[in-house]
Amino acid sequence: NAGVTQTPKFRVLKTGQSMTLLCAQDMNHEYMYWYRQDPGMGLRLIHYSVGEGTTAKGEVPDGYNVSRLKKQNFLLGLESAAPSQTSVYFCASSDDMTGELFFGEGSRLTVL
Amino acid sequence: SQQGEEDPQALSIQEGENATMNCSYKTSINNLQWYRQNSGRGLVHLILIRSNEREKHSGRLRVTLDTSKKSSSLLITASRAADTASYFCATAPGAGKLIFGQGTTLQVKP
Repeated sequence: NAGVTQTPKFRVLKTGQSMTLLCAQDMNHEYMYWYRQDPGMGLRLIHYSVGEGTTAKGEVPDGYNVSRLKKQNFLLGLESAAPSQTSVYFCASSDDMTGELFFGEGSRLTVL
Repeated sequence: SQQGEEDPQALSIQEGENATMNCSYKTSINNLQWYRQNSGRGLVHLILIRSNEREKHSGRLRVTLDTSKKSSSLLITASRAADTASYFCATAPGAGKLIFGQGTTLQVKP
């Protein structure tokens, strides 16, 4: 029962470097989401997808790009990392936009 | 801006006591959900209450929803040390995406 799997779990980047976080779900969910969690800020939605081949902006999309080429995968990219993007990133999936979310274990990113 | 606001931000109780945390929100909702997050882990769904429901139970959890006051409460009865975690409410405004509050950190002392 893998559920939602995120890779990598930890990453340290230098300012200006690029990287991609991968999220994979095995529940055949249509909807997938990327959140970031910062102390005192709760979870903020970065981007989301309502199905294969679709993406949409969330609350804090600047500096990030996403792709959903396959239904089971949702990639989050940082083209030029900034220290303000130091955070814990969570991927989630659901079969209903307003229903229960299933979360991954998180990816801790530090940008120096 | 956050839709849901939890209160209190932090709560410390003894094992066996009840824990109550509250959530207030701003706009009309389709449903309200509560999630738990253990330290260093992902969020886990606890319970969902729809806008036409007033109370819901799941094991030691009791959730109430007052749409006239735009508020919800989560009660954990007979708390255990394993209940130590952060608890988040999340609201679904209409057909929109879930919006999370900032969470309540609960510490249950053995």
